[in-house]
Amino acid sequence: EAQVTQNPRYLITVTGKKLTVTCSQNMNHEYMSWYRQDPGLGLRQIYYSMNVEVTDKGDVPEGYKVSRKEKRNFPLILESPSPNQTSLYFCASSLLPGVRGELFFGEGSRLTVL
Amino acid sequence: DAKTTQPPSMDCAEGRAANLPCNHSTISGNEYVYWYRQIHSQGPQYIIHGLKNNETNEMASLIITEDRKSSTLILPHATLRDTAVYYCIVRALSGGYQKVTFGTGTKLQVIP
Repeated sequence: EAQVTQNPRYLITVTGKKLTVTCSQNMNHEYMSWYRQDPGLGLRQIYYSMNVEVTDKGDVPEGYKVSRKEKRNFPLILESPSPNQTSLYFCASSLLPGVRGELFFGEGSRLTVL
Repeated sequence: DAKTTQPPSMDCAEGRAANLPCNHSTISGNEYVYWYRQIHSQGPQYIIHGLKNNETNEMASLIITEDRKSSTLILPHATLRDTAVYYCIVRALSGGYQKVTFGTGTKLQVIP
């Protein structure tokens, strides 16, 4: 089954404790992206990647890092989480839009930073 | 900043057509219009997309104006399960710039 898998789905952590949210897709998609969703603010893009070793900033990259060492994986790294990073996070992937381009989303990861 | 503008909320009677507008007045020639919906806090789900012609699939129809500055998503017979937040986005057909901005969408409430 074609899917985007995020882990963990729920996490409560404390300020400053490094964490990684993993994202994996099984559709051989070139494009992968991370979003955060906060009440009243819609979905905001954090980082995206066009292919292996190619990443770029979205609208709200501060406080986050990403890497794309393999095509299927795109982890989101919070080196020193702060309470303002409490949010619902979504990973998405797609073929490049010249082919189809619709985004497939994971089920979300709800992060709470105390 | 979002490249699209949508009304924050709309109501639709069950069984009637739901017409959701989207303004994308700054769209460029190589950008597609995509529609997604999000039910509760689930991951957004793709509905339909188009470049300049009207499109239809099993879920919905997409009408794009001739000048491509706006579009309308049509759910022909809305059901209670169509209650969701609907997002209209634009995305470049090609090129290295692939920032995809979603905005806040339209919350559609289907009323029994």
